[in-house]
Amino acid sequence: QQQVKQSPQSLIVQKGGISIINCAYENTAFDYFPWYQQFPGKGPALLIAIRPDVSEKKEGRFTISFNKSAKQFSLHIMDSQPGDSATYFCAASNPGSQGNLIFGKGTKLSVKP
Amino acid sequence: DAGVIQSPRHEVTEMGQEVTLRCKPISGHDYLFWYRQTMMRGLELLIYFNNNVPIDDSGMPEDRFSAKMPNASFSTLKIQPSEPRDSAVYFCASSYRQGYEQYFGPGTRLTVT
Repeated sequence: QQQVKQSPQSLIVQKGGISIINCAYENTAFDYFPWYQQFPGKGPALLIAIRPDVSEKKEGRFTISFNKSAKQFSLHIMDSQPGDSATYFCAASNPGSQGNLIFGKGTKLSVKP
Repeated sequence: DAGVIQSPRHEVTEMGQEVTLRCKPISGHDYLFWYRQTMMRGLELLIYFNNNVPIDDSGMPEDRFSAKMPNASFSTLKIQPSEPRDSAVYFCASSYRQGYEQYFGPGTRLTVT
């Protein structure tokens, strides 16, 4: 019940295309859903996060879509660029119950020029 | 702030040797986390501290692993004796609120031969 399932494991997208990464969770008490971006040789860094009171959050080319009833959330990268090539992790937590972030397994994105 | 600082960045050691990884969290952050990252298992939470006190070490794989936080600005993760299967990237992260954004260090790449 504490797991966050992420798919796909890897993704190849052409420059200018849309990258979509999906995550699913079971614990309905989760109420904070961040995405982290990790470049080779670096630590993960927060990219964008959403709370369940909204269905979508957009920051530049990055959008989180949240479906509370389906217990799913996804990251969309519009106009994908080679510089977006990285590993992306979704995560979930219940801060109100002092829960820590539970991370998905990660998706390795390659954007081809 | 310089962010989370980890040392060394790379460590190569022989099986059976003691390895000590070091972390300096961001000033003012009350939570410190140690993670291990491998291709097979993704990001695994090993242990976390709150106000220098270990709260949950259930992720520590074996008694060969130990972690300490003698003060608010320093933590160590020790492996004694090290084994080849301990080869991984070890991250330290800190947070000012549990369950919310964690700031990761650059990691220590450990290779045990």
